[in-house]
Amino acid sequence: KAGVTQTPRYLIKTRGQQVTLSCSPISGHRSVSWYQQTPGQGLQFLFEYFSETQRNKGNFPGRFSGRQFSNSRSEMNVSTLELGDSALYLCASCLTNFEVHEQYFGPGTRLTVT
Amino acid sequence: GENVEQHPSTLSVQEGDSAVIKCTYSDSASNYFPWYKQELGKRPQLIIDIRSNVGEKKDQRIAVTLNKTAKHFSLHITETQPEDSAVYFCAASIGGTGGFKTIFGAGTRLFVKA
Repeated sequence: KAGVTQTPRYLIKTRGQQVTLSCSPISGHRSVSWYQQTPGQGLQFLFEYFSETQRNKGNFPGRFSGRQFSNSRSEMNVSTLELGDSALYLCASCLTNFEVHEQYFGPGTRLTVT
Repeated sequence: GENVEQHPSTLSVQEGDSAVIKCTYSDSASNYFPWYKQELGKRPQLIIDIRSNVGEKKDQRIAVTLNKTAKHFSLHITETQPEDSAVYFCAASIGGTGGFKTIFGAGTRLFVKA
């Protein structure tokens, strides 16, 4: 089975712009979560989607949003980019939605905001 | 809010020695505790996990223990090898049929000296 894929892998944007990142989960996985990874803050939970519904959300401003399509592919959008949004954005897909939820990460999209 | 504290932030051991990483979580509703290994420039990979109704789990050289009363869980690596050098993240997750939310610790950078 193909692993989790993310596009693009690298992105450079300027302050004030918006960006859309894409994640394709492992075939059969219906849950997708997004994380922001920075050297100072570690891995921070953004949101989790299942069957096109956002079920959980982390403590990020409303500039961060996401969606999931019927084929389980997910996108996240960041509007009005700030310098502090520079980070590695990771998505993870998961097979089960019960107590044990093994997450498999994609390679990430490295976003640089200048 | 939810929080996971992880110690130490850096750990250096001689090849063949044991390494122990400790985490504390704040939300008593957490019911699933995965550990991830992230090598430089690569995605986090699940190495072991434990459910809230289990006190200990072992997989070859890796073991995890959980003390629900104290809200502590630990990773033990025995007979360390240079290829164990990486950043290790603990996480506490609250999950069920309504979705899940995973909070990560800040990470421990493990150096195994040959």
